[in-house]
Amino acid sequence: EIVLTQSPATLSLSPGERATLSCRASQTITNNYLAWYQQKPGQAPRFLIYGASSRATGIPDRFSGSGSGTDFTLTITRLEPEDFAVYYCQWYGWPPRTFGQGTKVEVK
Amino acid sequence: QVQVRQWGAGLLRPSETLSLTCAVYGGSFSGYHWTWIRQPPGQGLEWIGEINHNGITSYSPSLKSRVTVSVDTSKNQFSLKLTSVTAADTAVYYCTRGPYTDWPLAGHWGQGTLVTVSS
Repeated sequence: EIVLTQSPATLSLSPGERATLSCRASQTITNNYLAWYQQKPGQAPRFLIYGASSRATGIPDRFSGSGSGTDFTLTITRLEPEDFAVYYCQWYGWPPRTFGQGTKVEVK
Repeated sequence: QVQVRQWGAGLLRPSETLSLTCAVYGGSFSGYHWTWIRQPPGQGLEWIGEINHNGITSYSPSLKSRVTVSVDTSKNQFSLKLTSVTAADTAVYYCTRGPYTDWPLAGHWGQGTLVTVSS
């Protein structure tokens, strides 16, 4: 089972700033089978990124994913008020398709 | 616009069986991965299990002995059963459908069902 470790646990930033979130895997992620989701309080998560760097339909281009091997990054270039949320990475190559524990991006 | 809707009992006693069902509206049912994911209060996401477009199921190792996922193709519905529940199974349960045919991702999410296990 692949274990995903996200850091930091909490990121305190101001609107307009750049956010950089990390997801580290316990073993090499095959074919970049790494996804990212956003979750706001009281809502279901929203699918953002797949294949480590491809944006899902309708996702703004201020969201970008990168990385390979065991280290992956989600970058939000300029934080909008609606971007303050919890972000999860997920391995989806084969079951179990585990999630990281999440990074909360909060208003500083 | 694709919408996933889910339903089922929200309050269970310990040792009972959790049963949830979901369906898709405004989109196709067949050809997609269907997955159940849960989230204990204040905690992160936990992958429970899935069924792919060929009807093959996979489960979390920690839940495998108690969980069954299935589809009813006549009704285009996807279901979850979790037996012998305890307080540790208290969580919001989400049904998800893949974003593209046969992609094992949670592209479209149900509204979530809070299941509370309490005596």
